[in-house]
Amino acid sequence: DAKTTQPNSMESNEEEPVHLPCNHSTISGTDYIHWYRQLPSQGPEYVIHGLTSNVNNRMASLAIAEDRKSSTLILHRATLRDAAVYYCILSGAGGTSYGKLTFGQGTILTVHP
Amino acid sequence: DAGVIQSPRHEVTEMGQEVTLRCKPISGHDYLFWYRQTMMRGLELLIYFNNNVPIDDSGMPEDRFSAKMPNASFSTLKIQPSEPRDSAVYFCASRLAASATQYFGPGTRLLVL
Repeated sequence: DAKTTQPNSMESNEEEPVHLPCNHSTISGTDYIHWYRQLPSQGPEYVIHGLTSNVNNRMASLAIAEDRKSSTLILHRATLRDAAVYYCILSGAGGTSYGKLTFGQGTILTVHP
Repeated sequence: DAGVIQSPRHEVTEMGQEVTLRCKPISGHDYLFWYRQTMMRGLELLIYFNNNVPIDDSGMPEDRFSAKMPNASFSTLKIQPSEPRDSAVYFCASRLAASATQYFGPGTRLLVL
């Protein structure tokens, strides 16, 4: 499986934008990039995913580099509720491997009031 | 929708006892996943099912662990006999075949004494 590299931790102030980076230099042409987050004492929750083009949803934006070897999750205005572990995950596109997730250590995001 | 339901939420047992964890996926979802999370190893995929059939159980740690999905609305993860190193949070997740998004349950926190 292609691997991802994320910083162990990041900090932000409330109401400021947050850019969470992820490197995936061995990504294959058909791998999707997924982001999940895990709030304290909860199960992971889906944030966003994409293949080649940048993606936006109500929670965040995903910016994917042109060579697809890196991506950035953007939280436009961080709130205290966004404090969580953020996971960047690659998964295959075909058949039963689609959406099979292998979690790394993720980035611990701390949001200061 | 009630989301993915797991029971019990907490379980304390003694070494050697049998433990059964239960999961009810979101209605209509085709895939069901079992994960284990520990501080040392992070979040690990144990096994997943497609249409009630086990597809990949390579993450199951050893023969003491078994999982079943007798129908589309119920799955169990059984540990027999349990050991202290099995102490972890166990998550169940489900998704639709056409979607990459996994929905996680709240987890079962297992402590084996």
